[in-house]
Amino acid sequence: DAKTTQPNSMESNEEEPVHLPCNHSTISGTDYIHWYRQLPSQGPEYVIHGLTSNVNNRMASLAIAEDRKSSTLILHRATLRDAAVYYCILIPYNTDKLIFGTGTRLQVFP
Amino acid sequence: ETGVTQTPRHLVMGMTNKKSLKCEQHLGHNAMYWYKQSAKKPLELMFVYNFKEQTENNSVPSRFSPECPNSSHLFLHLHTLQPEDSALYLCASSLRSTSGQETQYFGPGTRLLVL
Repeated sequence: DAKTTQPNSMESNEEEPVHLPCNHSTISGTDYIHWYRQLPSQGPEYVIHGLTSNVNNRMASLAIAEDRKSSTLILHRATLRDAAVYYCILIPYNTDKLIFGTGTRLQVFP
Repeated sequence: ETGVTQTPRHLVMGMTNKKSLKCEQHLGHNAMYWYKQSAKKPLELMFVYNFKEQTENNSVPSRFSPECPNSSHLFLHLHTLQPEDSALYLCASSLRSTSGQETQYFGPGTRLLVL
């Protein structure tokens, strides 16, 4: 399984943009890049996913490098509710398995 | 509200007890999963069910016994557990595809303490 590397923790102030990086240098051409987050005392929740092009949804944006060896999850205006552990996960097209790493713990300060 | 419910939310049991965790999804999905999240460790996939058939057992000890009577319900039967089995047990469901774009929906988890 292709691996991802994320910083252990990041900090942000409320209402500022947050860029959460993920390195996946061994990604294969058919791996989708998924992001999930886990709020305190909750199960993980889906945030966004993409293959090659940048993606936007109501929660976040996903910027994917041209060589696909890295990606960045962008929260445009962090809120206190965005404090969570963010997981970057690669999913091959022919499987449904989520392999979680340790993720990035995001702290948001008022 | 994620559409995936788990009961109980908290459970304390002795090593000789038998208990069951229940998961129910109201999303019309056809795949269900059990994960284990121990303190300071990543989530670990335990079991996968597709259309009620077990398709993945990630080398889980036999003291954990899953059951999937239909595509909406998933159980995890527990017996003679060890203290190191104390963890958050998460259930998830998805609409099975092989596209790599499948999204899993998680329940809130059952926090288990084995004494």
